[in-house]
Amino acid sequence: DTEVTQTPKHLVMGMTNKKSLKCEQHMGHRAMYWYKQKAKKPPELMFVYSYEKLSINESVPSRFSPECPNSSLLNLHLHALQPEDSALYLCASSQDPGASGVYEQYFGPGTRLTVT
Amino acid sequence: RKEVEQDPGPFNVPEGATVAFNCTYSNSASQSFFWYRQDCRKEPKLLMSVYSSGNEDGRFTAQLNRASQYISLLIRDSKLSDSATYLCVVRDNTGNQFYFGTGTSLTVIP
Repeated sequence: DTEVTQTPKHLVMGMTNKKSLKCEQHMGHRAMYWYKQKAKKPPELMFVYSYEKLSINESVPSRFSPECPNSSLLNLHLHALQPEDSALYLCASSQDPGASGVYEQYFGPGTRLTVT
Repeated sequence: RKEVEQDPGPFNVPEGATVAFNCTYSNSASQSFFWYRQDCRKEPKLLMSVYSSGNEDGRFTAQLNRASQYISLLIRDSKLSDSATYLCVVRDNTGNQFYFGTGTSLTVIP
């Protein structure tokens, strides 16, 4: 099973709202990722968690706050977003980040976020 | 300089054609290489991992040239259902990060 699940599928929020995106995988993967994707562009890395610790933050504004409660779950807390933050937010996971070898990355279906 | 460079296309080809996509990467210590397919408004899905000796899966052939830091994907006998964006992805030598090409858009025309 190579499934990564994400909820919700769609989210519309105002600029003063607080919401959270959720991601779950049960493949035993120890690296989890948040990406932002705009139309006709490749995914843009936001955060990487490796063994439940934040290992990469690609200078993401503080209105995005990641959380990794355990090895299967990844959250992205959203607060005071701007309309330009509207995008597809993708979660991904990958096996054993420190090891060499061909370890693929698997994506969830994404949350399509609209900020009004 | 971008980590991964990919011709964005678009490629418009007739059904049955053979089409090739190319990609170059800048970090010679990169560990592993992949082709993903992304349909409109969907997530990227793994198409193939790319092995040093080259590998084939049905109509799809992937090649890696480490000396030239170059990856390719060949699609033979194109089908309408092959229409999508193809993303070249490189995993770095720390194992933590995946770098994406810009994606190449393919439309197969009846």
